[in-house]
Parts: sequence; structure tokens; C-alpha cells
Amino acid sequence: GNSVTQMEGPVTLSEEAFLTINCTYTATGYPSLFWYVQYPGEGLQLLLKATKADDKGSNKGFEATYRKETTSFHLEKGSVQVSDSAVYFCALSDQGAGSYQLTFGKGTKLSVIP
Amino acid sequence: EAQVTQNPRYLITVTGKKLTVTCSQNMNHEYMSWYRQDPGLGLRQIYYSMNVEVTDKGDVPEGYKVSRKEKRNFPLILESPSPNQTSLYFCASSEIGGGYYEQYFGPGTRLTVT
Repeated sequence: GNSVTQMEGPVTLSEEAFLTINCTYTATGYPSLFWYVQYPGEGLQLLLKATKADDKGSNKGFEATYRKETTSFHLEKGSVQVSDSAVYFCALSDQGAGSYQLTFGKGTKLSVIP
Repeated sequence: EAQVTQNPRYLITVTGKKLTVTCSQNMNHEYMSWYRQDPGLGLRQIYYSMNVEVTDKGDVPEGYKVSRKEKRNFPLILESPSPNQTSLYFCASSEIGGGYYEQYFGPGTRLTVT
């Protein structure tokens, strides 16, 4: 079956620091990959996505590249802000195979301090 | 505004007292889904529906029921809640078809069963 493994948190960074959150996946087909963000007290929002190998998703200064050879989709941001404090989830779905289920990692809580 | 709504947002109940959590979307999406979020486990799918009158089990369906009588609504029913169903619940919806479609999440329902 499909699975997603992301780095354990929590992660605490100072403002303007570089962020990397590692994510690797196992999938039987050719999944699409996502990063979702959950701000305190809110639901999940799609942050970025990549639907095929070597695609780079980007949004709000965050980037992630779909690496099929290493089955990875690491999230990066060059300079984090306090407003980036949230829980980040890596996820995959195999919509090409007709499955719309999202398989999530366990989430990584990021705290950015001024 | 395109959105997924859930009610109630917070609920405290006692073991065995039947409850329903409602979910409604205004985007005419075919696909709807329920997830539960637990610390250290991420989000896990409970049930999903591909269209009206079409529902199927996700990864953790035990103790839950759903129905899809109208396209916009997808209620989650706990016939006899137990303390291990204390969790944060999210409803999500998306289009379906030949490509990738973003899933939109509701704001969450925090359920406590005592």
C-alpha cells in the first residue's frame, strides 16, 4: 500500500532561517504529491503540489521537487517568518489509478520565533 | 465563496449517545471524504463517497456510518460513540475526472467522548 514518512517534529527556527522538512513516500503507482498546511485552529490548506516526476511545486516562498529516483518530496523555504508557524503535512494520492484518497504523513509542527 | 462547512465545530458527548456531524460543500463536487486526525498518527480516512448514493470504507471505518443522499451533504454518524473516537474530524471534497483535482477541507470538528 501507499505510505508517507516525514521528519518528526517539532521544529523550532528563528525568523529568516532556512527550512527543510523531509518527506519520502512509498506508492504502487504514479502518485501526485502534496504539502498541506494547518494553521492553529484551522483546517488543512493545500500549500503546493506536484503531479509528475521532476515537477517543482511552489507557493508563498515554499518549494518542493518531486524526486522519483529517491521517492522524496522535501519542503524548503529560504527565509521563514513567524506567520509560517503551523503544522505541515506531506501527502500523496494516486488519482491516476482512480483513487482520490489522500495518504498523509504524521505532520511536522513548525514554530518560528522572532 | 467556495467552502466546506462542518457542524458542530466542538462537541462533548457521553459514551453511547448517537451523534451526527454534518458536512456540506457548495462547489458541486462529486467526491467527499471524512478523515480523523490524531496526535502522532496524522490524518486517516474514515469513509468516502464518489457520488450520490455511492459510499465506501476508508482505512478506519469501524464505529462510523455515512450517507450521501444529496450531492452537497455528507454527514458522519456515530451510532454509539466510544472514548476512542475522541478526535479531530475533517470533511473534504473535490471534483473527480481524468486529471488532478485539489481537495478542499472543512474547518474541523473536535469531538470528545467521555
